[in-house]
Amino acid sequence: EAQVTQNPRYLITVTGKKLTVTCSQNMNHEYMSWYRQDPGLGLRQIYYSMNVEVTDKGDVPEGYKVSRKEKRNFPLILESPSPNQTSLYFCASSRTGTNYWATEAFFGQGTRLTVV
Amino acid sequence: KQEVTQIPAALSVPEGENLVLNCSFTDSAIYNLQWFRQDPGKGLTSLLLIQSSQREQTSGRLNASLDKSSGRSTLYIAASQPGDSATYLCAVQGGSEKLVFGKGTKLTVNP
Repeated sequence: EAQVTQNPRYLITVTGKKLTVTCSQNMNHEYMSWYRQDPGLGLRQIYYSMNVEVTDKGDVPEGYKVSRKEKRNFPLILESPSPNQTSLYFCASSRTGTNYWATEAFFGQGTRLTVV
Repeated sequence: KQEVTQIPAALSVPEGENLVLNCSFTDSAIYNLQWFRQDPGKGLTSLLLIQSSQREQTSGRLNASLDKSSGRSTLYIAASQPGDSATYLCAVQGGSEKLVFGKGTKLTVNP
């Protein structure tokens, strides 16, 4: 089954304690990205990756890091989490290439993060 | 900068009614538009993808239209059911691959 898997689904942590949210896809997609969803603000892109070892900032990258060492995995790292990073996070993947018209995006189930 | 607006923000209808959700975007230079469904506390499920060269797509009771020149899309849901209750999100994709989302329409279908 084609899917994007995020872990953990729920996480409560304290300010400053480093954490990693994992994301893995089984569709051999080149493009992967992270979004956060906040009430009243909608979904905003944090970081994205066009392929292995190629990453770039999205709209709200401050306080986050990512890496893309393998095609299937795209972890989100919070080096020193703060309460304003409390949010619902989504990982997504899609194909790239010349067929932009065909790049349906697949989303993970989300990670609800609370930083106290 | 692309901006996506969804109207209404919330909608409550009786079961069986046909309904239309609206999505507008400011930059017509898009590659495609996707409609998603989000259930409370859950991920996003893709409903329909309309390529920029297409005018509509259909899946079961759902029909999505796209008028790229005017920057509008509609999602038509026929014979609504309580199970259709969810938040519906519209997103457009431009050349950067990034999806730009609207804030969604929260639909409640009452039995």
